[in-house]
Parts: sequence; C-alpha cells; structure tokens
Amino acid sequence: KAGVTQTPRYLIKTRGQQVTLSCSPISGHRSVSWYQQTPGQGLQFLFEYFSETQRNKGNFPGRFSGRQFSNSRSEMNVSTLELGDSALYLCASSLGGLAGPLLKTDEQFFGPGTRLTVL
Amino acid sequence: KNQVEQSPQSLIILEGKNCTLQCNYTVSPFSNLRWYKQDTGRGPVSLTIMTFSENTKSNGRYTATLDADTKQSSLHITASQLSDSASYICVVSADGGSQGNLIFGKGTKLSVKP
Repeated sequence: KAGVTQTPRYLIKTRGQQVTLSCSPISGHRSVSWYQQTPGQGLQFLFEYFSETQRNKGNFPGRFSGRQFSNSRSEMNVSTLELGDSALYLCASSLGGLAGPLLKTDEQFFGPGTRLTVL
Repeated sequence: KNQVEQSPQSLIILEGKNCTLQCNYTVSPFSNLRWYKQDTGRGPVSLTIMTFSENTKSNGRYTATLDADTKQSSLHITASQLSDSASYICVVSADGGSQGNLIFGKGTKLSVKP
C-alpha cells in the first residue's frame, strides 16, 4: 500500500508570492491534516479536512487555506508569503471517523513533507 | 493552558546503551498520548498510542509508559542502534472532538554514536 505522498518536496519562493502544496493520502483514508513544523515552534496544527469539508482549524492567519477533493487528495495554499512561513509542511492522513485522528484507533500516517523556503 | 513539555531537549548516547525520554503534560480532559519518531527530513512515524487505562506499551525496543495521575510519560529505548538517531515527539490528544486539540511537544533530539 502506497504511503502518503507530498509534492513538491522542496520549494523556494520570495516574499509576497503564493504557493500551493499537494498531499495524496493513503488509499481509503478520508481525513487529511496539515501541519507546520519549525525549529522554534515544533509541529503546529493548521487544519483538517474530512470528506471535502474543513472539520477543524488551528490558530493560523487566513493566508493559510486548504481544500480537499472528492478523491481525498488535499491542497494547501499560502498567499502573500512572509519570511516566517519558511518551514516543513507535513500532511497526515487517517481513516477519519467521528473525531478523526483524536481517537486512539484512528492512527495518522505522515508524508515526507514539503520544505518551503521564503527569501 | 494545554501544554506538552519534553525533556531533555537533546541527548547523546553510545550505541548499545539504553535511554529514557520524558514527556510531561497539562492536557485536560485527556484522551490519548502518542510517541512519534521523526528522522531528519522525514515525516513522523508512530511508535505507540496509549489511552489513560494503559500504563505500558511496547514496540520492539521501544517501551512507553504512562502515569495518568501524575500526567507523565516516558519512552525507553533499549540497546540503542545508530538508526535510533532521530527526534522523538510526544503528542497528547485532548478529549473533545476537535482535531485542534492535538498538542505536540517540541521533541527530544537523540544522537546515537558508535
């Protein structure tokens, strides 16, 4: 069974630009979550999508948005990039269900991440 | 405020030695606690998941313990190998139905030297 894939793996952008990252979950998984990881803050939750609907959202500005398609693939968009947006962006998929990855039985599987550098 | 604190921040040990990583949390109401291993440049991989009723969980040479009363967890690595060099992240899930209630520790960076 193929794992979670993310594209692109590396990206370099300049301030003010926008970027779109893609995540393909494990086949059969309906929940996709996005995280930002920086050395100073560690992993921080961005949002979760389940059945094409944003189910939960972390504490990030509106420049960060996402969507999920009918095949469960998800995209994340960051507009008006800032230097502080440089980070490893991880997506994780799980089967989903009532409360999604909160449940012990709903294990999350992470992709390799997209390394975004903003110059 | 829900928080997860991990210690130490970093650790260097010799190959073959054992080590223990700590995780203290102030998350309420508690649902479950997870340990992840993250190799450099890769996504985290789940090691163990425990609910409050489980106080020990093993995965090969990795053994996690949980004391729900003191809100402490530890990850013990036995007979360390060079491939154990990674960051270990403790994640606590708060009961409440919102995925926003996954609280991450900042991790312990373990280096295993030959």
